[in-house]
Amino acid sequence: NAGVMQNPRHLVRRRGQEARLRCSPMKGHSHVYWYRQLPEEGLKFMVYLQKENIIDESGMPKERFSAEFPKEGPSILRIQQVVRGDSAAYFCASSPSGRLETQYFGPGTRLLVL
Amino acid sequence: AQSVTQLGSHVSVSEGALVLLRCNYSSSVPPYLFWYVQYPNQGLQLLLKYTTGATLVKGINGFEAEFKKSETSFHLTKPSAHMSDAAEYFCAVSAADSWGKLQFGAGTQVVVTP
Repeated sequence: NAGVMQNPRHLVRRRGQEARLRCSPMKGHSHVYWYRQLPEEGLKFMVYLQKENIIDESGMPKERFSAEFPKEGPSILRIQQVVRGDSAAYFCASSPSGRLETQYFGPGTRLLVL
Repeated sequence: AQSVTQLGSHVSVSEGALVLLRCNYSSSVPPYLFWYVQYPNQGLQLLLKYTTGATLVKGINGFEAEFKKSETSFHLTKPSAHMSDAAEYFCAVSAADSWGKLQFGAGTQVVVTP
C-alpha cells in the first residue's frame, strides 16, 4: 500500500508566478490536511478537506491561497502570485475518516521562491 | 483553543543515555496528544498518541509518553538512545471537538553523540 504521495518534491518559482502542489492520499483515505512548515518553525495547519468539500480552512491565508480535493484525482494546493515569504515546506496528510484517526504524512514539497 | 510548548529546541544525548523531551499543552477541551518524528527531508512519522484510557502510552522504536493532566504535560522518553534516534521531534495536540487538525509545537532537534 503506497503511502501519501506529494509532487513535486522540490519546486522553484519566481515572485509573481503560480505554484501548484499535489497530494495523493493513501488508498482508502478520503480526508486530507495541508500543513506548512516555515524555516525553524513547527508545522502550521492550513486546511482540511474531504472529497469535494473544504471542511476547515481557518489556517489558510486570506489571499492567493486555495485548495481543492476533487472527486477524482489528487488534492491541489494552489498559491497564486508567490512571494518570498511563501518559501516553506508544504506537507499533506491523509486519514481514513478524520477526527481521531492517525494522519499519515507525505514527504512534503519544498517551495523556494526566488 | 489549543497550544503546545516544547521545552528546548535542541537536545544532545549520549548513545545509551535516557532521552527526555518535554511537551506542555493548553486546551480548553479534553486533548488528544501526539508525538511525531521527522528525519531530514522526510515527512512526519507518528511515534505514539494518547486519546483516552491508559495515561502511559507506548509507541514505536522504544519510545513512550505519559499524559499528566494535572501538569498539562505529555513528555516523551526512551530509556536508551540509539544513533538512529537523531531527528526532529514534534509534539502535537488536537481538540476532541475538532476535525482532527493538529496544533504542533516548534520541535526539538535531537543529536545523539557516540
